[in-house]
Amino acid sequence: NAGVTQTPKFQVLKTGQSMTLQCAQDMNHEYMSWYRQDPGMGLRLIHYSVGAGITDQGEVPNGYNVSRSTTEDFPLRLLSAAPSQTSVYFCASSFSGGVDEQYFGPGTRLTVT
Amino acid sequence: GQSLEQPSEVTAVEGAIVQINCTYQTSGFYGLSWYQQHDGGAPTFLSYNGLDGLEETGRFSSFLSRSDSYGYLLLQELQMKDSASYFCAVKAAGNKLTFGGGTRVLVKP
Repeated sequence: NAGVTQTPKFQVLKTGQSMTLQCAQDMNHEYMSWYRQDPGMGLRLIHYSVGAGITDQGEVPNGYNVSRSTTEDFPLRLLSAAPSQTSVYFCASSFSGGVDEQYFGPGTRLTVT
Repeated sequence: GQSLEQPSEVTAVEGAIVQINCTYQTSGFYGLSWYQQHDGGAPTFLSYNGLDGLEETGRFSSFLSRSDSYGYLLLQELQMKDSASYFCAVKAAGNKLTFGGGTRVLVKP
């Protein structure tokens, strides 16, 4: 049981490039979400999904797209990277949303130059 | 929207007790969670309060007062390994989880 996995661990992008951050979980959780964490700050919700085929926006969705074609996978796409998107990105999953324990992946450290 | 307030930093010595307060403003409140995060690591779940009162899990306890929009995390018998950041988080309307800015706890020998 691997839990929540994220790839890559580190990434450097140039302004304007696009990329996809991968997230997968093997716990059959319905709820998955993406957060970003800037240095010395809390986590801010980007997008979330309550099940396959269902996604919704969080607090800071601009510049990011998501899709949820399977229960296991929830990729995050950066459409045109900007320096303001330099951050650590965490994916999380849980059975029924924030009421229950959220399991976090190890994070992706993204730098946009 | 939602907002949460918690102190930015707390320093204490090994063996001491630390209380981290969290006040929140939100709509459609479901409950208050606490997460621990060591430097360079991912957040890990500590506790959840859906109802008023105290929840105890080993050396850590968490309290909630819904009428006061207030909760706290109590760390007892502090150990060096407890040096980390601690976040309160609320689940409110729309199934969204909102985190506070975090409290950095520094444990000194």
